Amino acid sequence: DAGVTQSPTHLIKTRGQQVTLRCSPISGHKSVSWYQQVLGQGPQFIFQYYEKEERGRGNFPDRFSARQFPNYSSELNVNALLLGDSALYLCASSPTHGVGVNEQFFGPGTRLTVL
Amino acid sequence: GQNIDQPTEMTATEGAIVQINCTYQTSGFNGLFWYQQHAGEAPTFLSYNVLDGLEEKGRFSSFLSRSKGYSYLLLKELQMKDSASYLCAVRTSGGYNKLIFGAGTRLAVHP
Repeated sequence: DAGVTQSPTHLIKTRGQQVTLRCSPISGHKSVSWYQQVLGQGPQFIFQYYEKEERGRGNFPDRFSARQFPNYSSELNVNALLLGDSALYLCASSPTHGVGVNEQFFGPGTRLTVL
Repeated sequence: GQNIDQPTEMTATEGAIVQINCTYQTSGFNGLFWYQQHAGEAPTFLSYNVLDGLEEKGRFSSFLSRSKGYSYLLLKELQMKDSASYLCAVRTSGGYNKLIFGAGTRLAVHP
């Protein structure tokens, strides 16, 4: 079975540009979450979507936005890129959004470098 | 505020046992997760605790004390492939799946 897939794998942008990252969850999973992982740190929660609705948002500026499509895939958009946005962006899918183990399965990530 | 603390680095010998501690202070609690992350790769799920006590899964065990805000991951019969970062994460209350991660513990296993 295919796991969580993300594209692109690597991306280089310059300050002020905009970027779109894509994620396809595991088949049957309806919840997608986005995390930012700066080198040497743990992942930081950005968004969670479930059934195409935003269910949670982390402490990130409005330059960060996301959406989920009817097939449960998701896009993360970042506008007006800053050097500090350079990080590994991880997408995680889970069957639902609530309680129980409901473990999140992470994709391989998109490595974004802002110059 | 939300705070999760774990040691930055640990070293251990192949075949030995190592315990990685995690303390947390969060505004809600709905389960604690341990993930393993090899360099340059995605985190992979190791264990989940929501009630106090020990959960055992092969060479890995995880313990939780909610009253103390404390958990540990125990790795037995260490292998070289266990060299990785180990992330402690708390799922806060609120009905959704937000995880608060610690910075991770880099474990180096030596022959």
